[in-house]
Amino acid sequence: GDSVTQMEGPVTLSEEAFLTINCTYTATGYPSLFWYVQYPGEGLQLLLKATKADDKGSNKGFEATYRKETTSFHLEKGSVQVSDSAVYFCALDSNYQLIWGAGTKLIIKP
Amino acid sequence: GAGVSQSPSNKVTEKGKDVELRCDPISGHTALYWYRQSLGQGLEFLIYFQGNSAPDKSGLPSDRFSAERTGGSVSTLTIQRTQQEDSAVYLCASSLGSGQIYGYTFGSGTRLTVV
Repeated sequence: GDSVTQMEGPVTLSEEAFLTINCTYTATGYPSLFWYVQYPGEGLQLLLKATKADDKGSNKGFEATYRKETTSFHLEKGSVQVSDSAVYFCALDSNYQLIWGAGTKLIIKP
Repeated sequence: GAGVSQSPSNKVTEKGKDVELRCDPISGHTALYWYRQSLGQGLEFLIYFQGNSAPDKSGLPSDRFSAERTGGSVSTLTIQRTQQEDSAVYLCASSLGSGQIYGYTFGSGTRLTVV
């Protein structure tokens, strides 16, 4: 069945560092891909999405490109801030069911 | 409302008791989903409602779990004879039509603890 694999955390970076959180997927058909973020004590929020191959989703300085050839949707940010500390989830939409990665905890130190 | 509202935010119950969790989706959103997030694990799909169509219950883990959606709006997830392994955060999400296009808006969840 469809699945999502993302890098294990926690990922610890210094402020202003470059961020990459890897996400790869296995799916039949052409799913939409999502990154969700969960800040401490808060609910899940949609960070960005891409609905077809080569689409780039972007929001709040984060970007991810839907790469069909490598079945990947890696999350990147050029300069992270302390406020980016959260858990990040990669997910794909498989016939209206969201299939989730396990989440990656990101810790940004000042 | 402005967002997806879930209640209660926290629920502690004794093993064997029944619990009801409520979800109030965004007004106008036709699709409603229930997910479960267990400690240290990813989210697990439970059930999906779309408009007046029959719900997809394929993710419900046992017949102790049931859900209904009244009037195409508010949904209630019921867990009967709760077990300790039911302890998790139960998340509700809604979407405007296709979540693939519009994305999903999540509530803050109900943290259920079975003691």
